[in-house]
Formats: sequence, C-alpha cells, structure tokens
Amino acid sequence: GAVVSQHPSWVICKSGTSVKIECRSLDFQATTMFWYRQFPKQSLMLMATSNEGSKATYEQGVEKDKFLINHASLTLSTLTVTSAHPEDSSFYICSARDERGQETQYFGPGTRLLVL
Amino acid sequence: AQKVTQAQTEISVVEKEDVTLDCVYETRDTTYYLFWYKQPPSGELVFLIRRNSFDEQNEISGRYSWNFQKSTSSFNFTITASQVVDSAVYFCALSRSLFYNQGGKLIFGQGTELSVKP
Repeated sequence: GAVVSQHPSWVICKSGTSVKIECRSLDFQATTMFWYRQFPKQSLMLMATSNEGSKATYEQGVEKDKFLINHASLTLSTLTVTSAHPEDSSFYICSARDERGQETQYFGPGTRLLVL
Repeated sequence: AQKVTQAQTEISVVEKEDVTLDCVYETRDTTYYLFWYKQPPSGELVFLIRRNSFDEQNEISGRYSWNFQKSTSSFNFTITASQVVDSAVYFCALSRSLFYNQGGKLIFGQGTELSVKP
C-alpha cells in the first residue's frame, strides 16, 4: 500500500510555456499533499502544502502565481509551472501524507523538467 | 526551530562492509517523528522507517537497523553487510506532530551519498 504516482516523469518544454504535473495517491486518500523541488546534489526544498478543497500554503520565497497548485480531490494534486523559464528546470517531487494512523509521507517518482 | 544535520556528505565502502549513517536533530517539541528515506539514482524517495519520539526502541529490518537516542538527539542508520544496490542518497527527516503549527511538514537533512563498491 501507500503508492504515489507522478506524471509525467520527464518533460522538456520551450521557455514561456506552462507545464502541468500530476500527483496521485493510488491506494489511499490524502487530504494533504506536498510539492518539493530538488536541485542536483541538494536536499529537497518544500515549495508548498496542498490541501484538498482549500488553497495551497506556499513556503516563503515561492511565487504562488508562478507555481499554481490545485488539490481538487482526495487523490489528486496538480502543480502547474506557468510561463516556465530555464531557471525553473529542476526535479519536482510530490508526496502524499497517509493519514491512516501513520502520518507518513510517501513520495512520487518525481518529474524532471527541462526548460529550453 | 527544527533542524536535521547529516554531517557525512559522502561515504564510500566496499561491499560487505558495515556502514553507519549519522543523523542529529534539533527540536523543542516533546512529540515529533523521525524518518529515513532512500533516494536511488532513479530519483524516487523510498520510505524506510518512521519513529515517534516516545518510542526509543531500536529497530532491525533485515540488514538495516536504526538506533534512536533521545539523550543525544540522534537517529542513526546502520547497514550491515552492504551491497552495491544500497548505493543511494539517504535522507533523515523530522516532522512536528500535527498538533503543532507547521505540523506534518518534513524537515530534511542534507543527505548522505553512500557508494558501495564491489
């Protein structure tokens, strides 16, 4: 149990386009999902907390208009990188918190974004 | 403030050696959770263990073992008889209880890159 999928796994896009990344909890419901960003050889940086049915909570320094988060159901959260630029190229990882008494975050496989 | 320190940036061992990855944390909370995750080259974070602050029992799972000591604020991870497949980056993380403000968020250490050579 506790499987999280993420789609797409790879995306290459032109500068100025928008990219949507989906995060799904496959065998459990998650009222809370998290979006992280990871640069090579670095730790994970939390970008925002996605709450089902309400607005996401963004970490300091993360542009909410740049990184749009929607958590429309108990199993799906999406991150849209709007008007992507080369500096947005990174590895984006989502996690979903399993609230069946364990409070553990399970992570998706990640999405590698390359903006040309 | 919460903080996790993994002082070992990189460790290289030869297969079958035992290796311990260190994790030291800082928190003033009485209720908190500690985690270890493995990130192989593919990138996905794999959950290894969760420990709550009231459970100081050490745990063993196959070749993996964890030593939680509140007195030294440490949660160290030992791999016995390491294998090449153990090569990965290992992250230690801390989260506050949901009862606290900012509860549930993971605070990660910088990670330790383990290289196991044949």
